[in-house]
Amino acid sequence: AQSVTQLDSQVPVFEEAPVELRCNYSSSVSVYLFWYVQYPNQGLQLLLKYLSGSTLVKGINGFEAEFNKSQTSFHLRKPSVHISDTAEYFCAVSQVNTGGFKTIFGAGTRLFVKA
Amino acid sequence: ETGVTQSPTHLIKTRGQQVTLRCSSQSGHNTVSWYQQALGQGPQFIFQYYREEENGRGNFPPRFSGLQFPNYSSELNVNALELDDSALYLCASSSPGREGGEQFFGPGTRLTVL
Repeated sequence: AQSVTQLDSQVPVFEEAPVELRCNYSSSVSVYLFWYVQYPNQGLQLLLKYLSGSTLVKGINGFEAEFNKSQTSFHLRKPSVHISDTAEYFCAVSQVNTGGFKTIFGAGTRLFVKA
Repeated sequence: ETGVTQSPTHLIKTRGQQVTLRCSSQSGHNTVSWYQQALGQGPQFIFQYYREEENGRGNFPPRFSGLQFPNYSSELNVNALELDDSALYLCASSSPGREGGEQFFGPGTRLTVL
């Protein structure tokens, strides 16, 4: 069975500081990995995804993530955050099956950027 | 191309009532998934529809049911509402060409059960 663990429920950080949001997953088969962002009262927006190939994935808004198969991790990073990055971030794993797929989300990490 | 839309945006019901939520998928997408997101939690998979057939279901009771129509729009129906059904309900669409199951989410419907 798949599972996703986001190790921090909240991460406060000052503006222009670097940030890392941690995500670990477990799965018995190959999976695809995603990070989504959710702003207040909105749906989820895709930040980046890992499907195959290079383990360093770059996404929108200056975010990047590194897939580490041996540690089953997919941590999200940004070298310098902005106030506008304040939001909820969700790590997700997806397993493809016949005709579709199943996606499991982590509980989320609230990033709070302070001036 | 239009994105995923959901209606209504907000809904208030009382315990025991029934509710229907609607979702229009993004153009060209034939797979729709529904998620329940309780306050402070991540989205929980309810079920997925592919070409009008249910194709996978999460750990939700049978009073959660759905439909997908020939135009790939979808409905989520919840019978005998309980207080714990209060949540944001998200619809997401995808196309078979989207490797790994990349999904496009609607803004959600906020359901409050009193």
